[in-house]
Order: sequence, then C-alpha cells, then structure tokens
Amino acid sequence: DAGVIQSPRHEVTEMGQEVTLRCKPISGHDYLFWYRQTMMRGLELLIYFNNNVPIDDSGMPEDRFSAKMPNASFSTLKIQPSEPRDSAVYFCASNPTGFSYEQYFGPGTRLTVT
Amino acid sequence: GEDVEQSLFLSVREGDSSVINCTYTDSSSTYLYWYKQEPGAGLQLLTYIFSNMDMKQDQRLTVLLNKKDKHLSLRIADTQTGDSAIYFCAVRPNTGGFKTIFGAGTRLFVKA
Repeated sequence: DAGVIQSPRHEVTEMGQEVTLRCKPISGHDYLFWYRQTMMRGLELLIYFNNNVPIDDSGMPEDRFSAKMPNASFSTLKIQPSEPRDSAVYFCASNPTGFSYEQYFGPGTRLTVT
Repeated sequence: GEDVEQSLFLSVREGDSSVINCTYTDSSSTYLYWYKQEPGAGLQLLTYIFSNMDMKQDQRLTVLLNKKDKHLSLRIADTQTGDSAIYFCAVRPNTGGFKTIFGAGTRLFVKA
C-alpha cells in the first residue's frame, strides 16, 4: 500500500485566497483525521470522520475552515479565506477499526500564507 | 478532557540510553503510544502498550507504564544519531470517541 497520500506537499498562497488540501487514506481504513502542527500549538486535531461521516469537528478553528469526505478514498480540507496565522503543516491520518487503533500519517502539506 | 504532558527537549550522547517521559490524566486510557517524527515527515508509530501491561520491549525500545502514577516512558538503548527526532507520547482514552490525544513532543538530540 502507498500509505496515506496528501497533496500538495507545499502550498504558498496570499492572504484571502482559498486553499484546498487533499488526502487519500489507506484503503480499508474507516477513520480519517485532519491535524494541524505549529511550533506554538503543537499537534492539534481539527476534525475526524468515520465511514465518511464527520464525527467531531470541535477542533476546527473557525468558519473559514471546512472539511469533506465525499467517499471512502478522498477527503478535503478547505480554508476560505486564508490568513497568515493559518500557516502550518497539515497532516491527514487514517486508521482501521479495531486492534491497536494505530494512526497512519501522511507526509503533510506545508501551508504558507503571505 | 485528557491531557498529555512531556518534556520538550532531551540531549544524549551517541551510545547512551535515552529516556523520554510522559504523564497523562485519564486513567481510562486503553492504548498508549509512542510516535516518532523525523524532519519533514509525518508521525510514525514506534510502539504501543495496552493499559493492562507494565512493560513492553521491542529491540532497542522499552516502554514502561505506571498506571498508578499515570506515567509512561520510552527508553532507547544504544542511542544513535539516526534516532534524533521528535517523539510524541499519545493516549487513547476509553471515552470521548475515537480521538487519540497527543503530547507536545520531545525533541531528542543525539550528539556524536
């Protein structure tokens, strides 16, 4: 398996622009998580899905952030409009139900908003 | 909610043992994990322990769990420069859905 795939790996955009981050979880994994990592705040859980349904979005910073999972193999995290304080590394992770619930992380998308 | 704390930095000499410590608050945590993050990469699971275990050994890695004190540690024997990375302690509480709660990460520096 190729692991969790994220695109793009790097994104540089100007304040006010819309940004869309993409994630393909590992096939067969029914949980998908979006995290944000910054030096100041560490690793923050933004939202997670189970079987394509959002379960907990309490970590989403504000209405500018939205996430969707239209099918089992694809999810997006959208920021509109983007702000400089959104600059961070965004990780997608997936895990299957049962056993150790180990999460498999993607390589991350480094977002820079100027 | 659950809180996971760990020290931010640890520096050791190559060949020495490293011990990274972690404390957590939710005694119902069923799975406890150690993840490793290398520069420019995502987190990768190193090892995990079930809450009914006291110790788990996996090659150079030893995990110790003290449930009474809610303390988890990771010992890396014969630390190598390639072990330099950020190590995250994480716990999965028995409540609160399927969240895994991560600590802030301990940055391990290995001096040659």
